[in-house]
Amino acid sequence: ELKVEQNPLFLSMQEGKNYTIYCNYSTTSDRLYWYRQDPGKSLESLFVLLSNGAVKQEGRLMASLDTKARLSTLHITAAVHDLSATYFCAVLRDDKIIFGKGTRLHILP
Amino acid sequence: DTGVSQDPRHKITKRGQNVTFRCDPISEHNRLYWYRQTLGQGPEFLTYFQNEAQLEKSRLLSDRFSAERPKGSFSTLEIQRTEQGDSAMYLCASSFTLALYNEQFFGPGTRLTVL
Repeated sequence: ELKVEQNPLFLSMQEGKNYTIYCNYSTTSDRLYWYRQDPGKSLESLFVLLSNGAVKQEGRLMASLDTKARLSTLHITAAVHDLSATYFCAVLRDDKIIFGKGTRLHILP
Repeated sequence: DTGVSQDPRHKITKRGQNVTFRCDPISEHNRLYWYRQTLGQGPEFLTYFQNEAQLEKSRLLSDRFSAERPKGSFSTLEIQRTEQGDSAMYLCASSFTLALYNEQFFGPGTRLTVL
């Protein structure tokens, strides 16, 4: 059974700081996703990572993928309050998306 | 807006009642997915369709749950004899299998509260 584990599950950080969220998955997958979810809202797609060594950046967020280690990271640079949300890592397996439990990110002004 | 839409957005019902939710996918998307998300958890796969065919159902989908996509366009998810444990956000997503990433796009969700 494919499992997706995120670390940490909760993160409180100061504005301006850098931090990384880690995502491990247990078996091979076709692709990896990062989503953002605001309270009471649906999921917003941030990144789709397909291949080993893939790196994508959008604003203060950068995602990378190491398929050999079955590890993805989401790096936050110089955090701002607007980035406060829950971030989900997810992998595609047999046409289904398997999600991690999410990382609740709270950025303090 | 040509995104995935869901109706209703919120539903409050009493235990034992039946409820039905609707999902309208992005036009021309041939796949449609249903997920359930409980508080503090990630979404969990329930079932999906390719066109009108239901291809897979999760073990999470008890006999009280039924989903249809009769004409390969919109889909309905019905829950019979609701229980308090059914309280959750029900998310619908759609995708097009021939698209570059076959990415799933999520709707706003239907929040169900069972009293």
